[in-house]
Amino acid sequence: RKEVEQDPGPFNVPEGATVAFNCTYSNSASQSFFWYRQDCRKEPKLLMSVYSSGNEDGRFTAQLNRASQYISLLIRDSKLSDSATYLCVVLYGQNFVFGPGTRLSVLP
Amino acid sequence: DGGITQSPKYLFRKEGQNVTLSCEQNLNHDAMYWYRQDPGQGLRLIYYSQIVNDFQKGDIAEGYSVSREKKESFPLTVTSAQKNPTAFYLCASSIVPGLSYGNEQFFGPGTRLTVL
Repeated sequence: RKEVEQDPGPFNVPEGATVAFNCTYSNSASQSFFWYRQDCRKEPKLLMSVYSSGNEDGRFTAQLNRASQYISLLIRDSKLSDSATYLCVVLYGQNFVFGPGTRLSVLP
Repeated sequence: DGGITQSPKYLFRKEGQNVTLSCEQNLNHDAMYWYRQDPGQGLRLIYYSQIVNDFQKGDIAEGYSVSREKKESFPLTVTSAQKNPTAFYLCASSIVPGLSYGNEQFFGPGTRLTVL
């Protein structure tokens, strides 16, 4: 079993749609969680850190369920500029473990 | 401006040659990392360093070498022993992981290496 798994995608959604990405991790000792976005042929950029109680940043909401070892990212009112690959990242000990990513295409 | 720089952006190498990729950060981060990304794939850890003059192998260290003589710099050498070096190489840094907050990784713009 892979350490960090994500929805395989791709997700193709119309502008204005709400889309949710899921991520599961295998190591219960994981202590920090992040969502990054990566544009084509660019470096990953931090979108949000995910805190225990969940957190929101504008149109983006991240949730963490430690019991189920599950993280989610919700994007409301999708924009064309949200088209990218979304990476789930889990930190345990001193190791950052990256999921394979889920690609999102927002269509006009 | 604080950040991470990588050079060159594009690099072409002939088979059998060693090449060195540069990574510099002025974020005063203790930890630095090198990842490799192949088309349509996730990031794989090559090497990481949490302190000057110390570094550890990641999942795919074979055919690569690093040094950490200064806190700001973590160059990666791709040796001729690396069988399939064509890839996108990403350098990252963070404060030392283990804290419960503020331990995010920040990435440089990457170097695309092509072996001819």
